[in-house]
Amino acid sequence: DAGVTQSPTHLIKTRGQQVTLRCSPISGHKSVSWYQQVLGQGPQFIFQYYEKEERGRGNFPDRFSARQFPNYSSELNVNALLLGDSALYLCASSFRDRGARWTDTQYFGPGTRLTVL
Amino acid sequence: GENVEQHPSTLSVQEGDSAVIKCTYSDSASNYFPWYKQELGKGPQLIIDIRSNVGEKKDQRIAVTLNKTAKHFSLHITETQPEDSAVYFCAASKGYGGSQGNLIFGKGTKLSVKP
Repeated sequence: DAGVTQSPTHLIKTRGQQVTLRCSPISGHKSVSWYQQVLGQGPQFIFQYYEKEERGRGNFPDRFSARQFPNYSSELNVNALLLGDSALYLCASSFRDRGARWTDTQYFGPGTRLTVL
Repeated sequence: GENVEQHPSTLSVQEGDSAVIKCTYSDSASNYFPWYKQELGKGPQLIIDIRSNVGEKKDQRIAVTLNKTAKHFSLHITETQPEDSAVYFCAASKGYGGSQGNLIFGKGTKLSVKP
């Protein structure tokens, strides 16, 4: 079975531009989360989406937005790019059983490396 | 909010030795603690996880222990091999099925296994 897929693999943008990153979850998974990983640090939570609705948001500015589609794939948009937005953007998917007592196991994709010049 | 501290930041061992990485968390409501391995240029790969209703879990050469009273958990790798060399991240989460379950990560440990 295919794992989480992300596109593009690498991206170079200039300050002020806008970028869209894409993620396809593992087949059967209904929840997608986005994380930002700056070089040398652990991933930092940006958004979680389940059933096309935002279920959680991390401490990121409104320049960051996301959405989830009926097929459970997701897009992350970042407007007015800053140099500090350069990072590896990771998508993670989970099954998200509504009746589950515990946090779902999250499986990560390979990431999109964004460089802002 | 939750804060996860991870130590050491770098760890070098000889092939065949054991490696131990420790993490502490601040929010006593956290109930799920995964460990991820990240190789250069790749996304994090789940290697083992533990939930707060158990104190220890083992999978072949990898084990995780959890001390809820002290709010710390540890990763143990026995009989290390060169292919174990990578950056390891611990994380904590307190979500339930219907609420957010975002992961709070430590800063990572770079493990080097020398042949």
